Amino acid sequence: DQQVKQNSPSLSVQEGRISILNCDYTNSMFDYFLWYKKYPAEGPTFLISISSIKDKNEDGRFTVFLNKSAKHLSLHIVPSQPGDSAVYFCAASEGNRDDKIIFGKGTRLHILP
Amino acid sequence: DAMVIQNPRYQVTQFGKPVTLSCSQTLNHNVMYWYQQKSSQAPKLLFHYYDKDFNNEADTPDNFQSRRPNTSFCFLDIRSPGLGDAAMYLCATSTGGAYNEQFFGPGTRLTVL
Repeated sequence: DQQVKQNSPSLSVQEGRISILNCDYTNSMFDYFLWYKKYPAEGPTFLISISSIKDKNEDGRFTVFLNKSAKHLSLHIVPSQPGDSAVYFCAASEGNRDDKIIFGKGTRLHILP
Repeated sequence: DAMVIQNPRYQVTQFGKPVTLSCSQTLNHNVMYWYQQKSSQAPKLLFHYYDKDFNNEADTPDNFQSRRPNTSFCFLDIRSPGLGDAAMYLCATSTGGAYNEQFFGPGTRLTVL
């Protein structure tokens, strides 16, 4: 039973446009959400996070939006660049209770020239 | 550079032949995690250590064991690998608490013949 769902296995976006990656979760106890980025032959690397007390967090070209009532979060990348082509994992945790994070299956983002 | 190192990067073993995967870190982090990731699936937490305290996930098979002899090293032992254990095994570290990002190694890809 997946607690963190990324329903789009892949996404193609033109260079310079906005990339929007979506993530849904089922556990209402999750209070901290993270995005990780993974290149081939490398481990995932932390990208950006958001606490449940916020609805938006921005870091340069990357913005994460959280809609708690819908149990939905999204990662916006603007403008998209070729180096953004990677697999993006959404993850969530009950941060106040646990050291663990639960990952989604990932979305492969292709940035087209 | 401080990092998480996994050896070997590729491991081939035979059905039923014990295998050990290695992880080391130079970050001096308290927590070390082992994840299993199968193709197009989410990384799945097998277990983690908070210092010497071992935390096993309820659904981790008994076939998987772990050792952490010191802060820097953590090992994953698969006692009798089956074909279904072929996967990427990711090691990660953190300072503790799910609010802190995890730092991942590049992974070991295990093939079972």
